[in-house]
Amino acid sequence: QSVLTQPPSVSGAPGQRVTISCTGGTSNIGAGYDVHWYQQLPGTAPKLLIFPNNIRPSGVSDRFSVSKSGTSASLAITGLQAEDEADYYCQSYDTSLSGSVFGGGTKLTVL
Amino acid sequence: QVQLQESGPGLVKPSETLSLTCVVSGDSVSSYYWSWIRQSAGKGLEWIGHVYISETPNYNPSLKSRVTMSVDTSKNQFSLKLRSVTAADTAVYYCARRADYYDSRGFYTHYFDFWGQGTLVTVSS
Repeated sequence: QSVLTQPPSVSGAPGQRVTISCTGGTSNIGAGYDVHWYQQLPGTAPKLLIFPNNIRPSGVSDRFSVSKSGTSASLAITGLQAEDEADYYCQSYDTSLSGSVFGGGTKLTVL
Repeated sequence: QVQLQESGPGLVKPSETLSLTCVVSGDSVSSYYWSWIRQSAGKGLEWIGHVYISETPNYNPSLKSRVTMSVDTSKNQFSLKLRSVTAADTAVYYCARRADYYDSRGFYTHYFDFWGQGTLVTVSS
């Protein structure tokens, strides 16, 4: 059971918009800590996808954006493409651990 | 470019100690916090702990009684030892560099900007 809760899967047709939610608690997201998102392609390590202020590392499409409110955060992907098929994870700092917590991951399927 | 490479046995017997090393290139292990993260088959990511050259390591409470992390500056690497392993410890183990910063409210937080490729460790007799 992961500390941060994500839907196990989401799907959408090419060109559509999907969102992935990440819900935490008062010791992490609810305490105001930033949420970071990672993309994991099959057989590879997770890769930092986007920063909390919507700045993206070099090479990451501007079709990805994030938001946060209260104890939840969301990752939005517009103009879905086949290459977006991957697992997506959220991560935040947790005061009870003095360390990181992750979501359980969401598998995105492009129909 | 920063690169991390995990190494260690891929098979460990139950009740024994899992030992992994992460060699860092393109950066100094003295400069950042370094973390171990694992991923069980079909499951999410679990933070194991982090280590910094001049501080006591910090471990996930769920694993704290069995974990030891250390840094070797002479070899520019850091390591993980997990004692008394069981089948539940079977996972892909990643090492990662932790990037720390102060957020807009002045809170100290972090993310993971560089990851190793991961190494599968299976616990089985």
